[in-house]
Amino acid sequence: AQTVTQSQPEMSVQEAETVTLSCTYDTSENNYYLFWYKQPPSRQMILVIRQEAYKQQNATENRFSVNFQKAAKSFSLKISDSQLGDTAMYFCAFSDYKLSFGAGTTVTVRA
Amino acid sequence: DGGITQSPKYLFRKEGQNVTLSCEQNLNHDAMYWYRQDPGQGLRLIYYSQIVNDFQKGDIAEGYSVSREKKESFPLTVTSAQKNPTAFYLCASSPGQSSIGDEQFFGPGTRLTVL
Repeated sequence: AQTVTQSQPEMSVQEAETVTLSCTYDTSENNYYLFWYKQPPSRQMILVIRQEAYKQQNATENRFSVNFQKAAKSFSLKISDSQLGDTAMYFCAFSDYKLSFGAGTTVTVRA
Repeated sequence: DGGITQSPKYLFRKEGQNVTLSCEQNLNHDAMYWYRQDPGQGLRLIYYSQIVNDFQKGDIAEGYSVSREKKESFPLTVTSAQKNPTAFYLCASSPGQSSIGDEQFFGPGTRLTVL
């Protein structure tokens, strides 16, 4: 399995503020995808955002955006205008022919 | 509505018993996966199947077995050989047989506790 590292076990952010989650990975592959998945307290996993390694442009989905640095093997997630519903565990994942997940970062949004 | 169902939501097992977790999808997806989630760890791949009647071991297959007799079903058996089976188990599916960029869709999970 590929190694995916999320160095922040927990983060807390005030509602309407911005929070950035870090993720690094280790691979010798050139063709791969990177994902951020969200797992709220219900434990239902939901895709947040996806990035193809060949695309230089960073992916954006509404309030969620990534900073993909291929040479540094870094893939951070920025949540802008945080909402209470963003409270969840966030997993970074790497895909070549199967998904490898990081350990997750628990994000708590404070009212 | 299309989706993935897992049953039961909670499952209790005595040591030495085999137990089977159900996973059904009506998304017409080719690929299906089983993951295990432990506290403080990400999801770890147990088994995956890209087509009916074929499946491959993931990273932690020891003590588990699967079958894929129908496209929509991918049951997981936790055998007595699994030393520490208490965990949260997630089933997922994706559309293609070997498309690395496909989103995986997850079921609601089964919490297995060994008594």
